[in-house]
Amino acid sequence: AQKVTQAQTEISVVEKEDVTLDCVYETRDTTYYLFWYKQPPSGELVFLIRRNSFDEQNEISGRYSWNFQKSTSSFNFTITASQVVDSAVYFCALSIHGSSNTGKLIFGQGTTLQVKP
Amino acid sequence: DAGVIQSPRHEVTEMGQEVTLRCKPISGHDYLFWYRQTMMRGLELLIYFNNNVPIDDSGMPEDRFSAKMPNASFSTLKIQPSEPRDSAVYFCASSAMGNNEQFFGPGTRLTVL
Repeated sequence: AQKVTQAQTEISVVEKEDVTLDCVYETRDTTYYLFWYKQPPSGELVFLIRRNSFDEQNEISGRYSWNFQKSTSSFNFTITASQVVDSAVYFCALSIHGSSNTGKLIFGQGTTLQVKP
Repeated sequence: DAGVIQSPRHEVTEMGQEVTLRCKPISGHDYLFWYRQTMMRGLELLIYFNNNVPIDDSGMPEDRFSAKMPNASFSTLKIQPSEPRDSAVYFCASSAMGNNEQFFGPGTRLTVL
């Protein structure tokens, strides 16, 4: 069975602090994809990143960075120098490659990040 | 380019009424997904289509729920009859390929009284 666990339900930081959101996944498949989405207070879901299981390179995009480690089945997300606009719910998700599963996103429960001024 | 379009954005109805939610995917996307978000269950996939054909509807909660995709640019999710426990935010998403990133619509907030 596939599963995504975001153990941190809520995190509160002060602006300019760095914060890491944890994501642990479970799957027996060798080909899979990992995603992060942001859901701001307005409610829409915004795609942030997609990573396939064969690419363990870390990625940096501005203040955002992602650390993918297959050895620990983790795909953690770090925001550097957080800003109030980063306040949102962040979801990690898993998609399995396969004829009957292609495209099915399995979401974690989400981590609510509050950045205080 | 227009993103995924959903209508209505908000729907308030009474128990027993029929509810129809609508979605227009991004042009050229072959996959369309319907999700439901609640506090208790989080985000869960209800059904998804590939090239207008339903591929997996195992997430549809009961026979009261049905979804159609008559063409590449339109899909509906219908609940008949609606019940208070159906109250949730329903999202439609589309993607170019199966495991590509999915782009979500703004959602429809459904309240069943």
